[in-house]
Amino acid sequence: GAGVSQSPSNKVTEKGKDVELRCDPISGHTALYWYRQRLGQGLEFLIYFQGNSAPDKSGLPSDRFSAERTGESVSTLTIQRTQQEDSAVYLCASSLGLGPGNEQFFGPGTRLTVL
Amino acid sequence: DQQVKQNSPSLSVQEGRISILNCDYTNSMFDYFLWYKKYPAEGPTFLISISSIKDKNEDGRFTVFLNKSAKHLSLHIVPSQPGDSAVYFCAASYKAAGNKLTFGGGTRVLVKP
Repeated sequence: GAGVSQSPSNKVTEKGKDVELRCDPISGHTALYWYRQRLGQGLEFLIYFQGNSAPDKSGLPSDRFSAERTGESVSTLTIQRTQQEDSAVYLCASSLGLGPGNEQFFGPGTRLTVL
Repeated sequence: DQQVKQNSPSLSVQEGRISILNCDYTNSMFDYFLWYKKYPAEGPTFLISISSIKDKNEDGRFTVFLNKSAKHLSLHIVPSQPGDSAVYFCAASYKAAGNKLTFGGGTRVLVKP
């Protein structure tokens, strides 16, 4: 079956512009997570969804970041008024449910470059 | 505040020998630990995990050891193969936090033929 897909794979934008990143999780996976990886660093948690609700948004760096999930499938991460420090690879993961044993499967990521 | 740390940014090992990757954590609430492998331009792929009620879990060439008192875990790869060359991330989670993963900074492994 298909894995987690993300689009676009690469995005170059100018400082101050808004960007929208998309994640298509594995069909039937109820949990969806967003992470980002800055150059040379580990992955940092941004937000997760259980179904369509987001119980934990604690990792979102500022109010310029928002995410939504509709129909328990596709999720979009929106960054408004992008800044150069937003440049990173944004990774999406999904899992069948919550709890140990529900491994997270990652997409290939979207590389965002803010000029 | 780095709750999960991988103190070795890189590791070089000869094919056929053992690779040992280390990871330390500070948050005592973590009850599930995972190792992910990442190739360039790809998302991380799950390798192996261990629950805090165990001290060892083995899957083929990969074994993870957990020392809760020391808040330390390690991944052993035996024997190492050139295809194992990648960046390895240690991650930790706990159920009350929705199993969101807290990652270490990664260790780049190079297996020389």
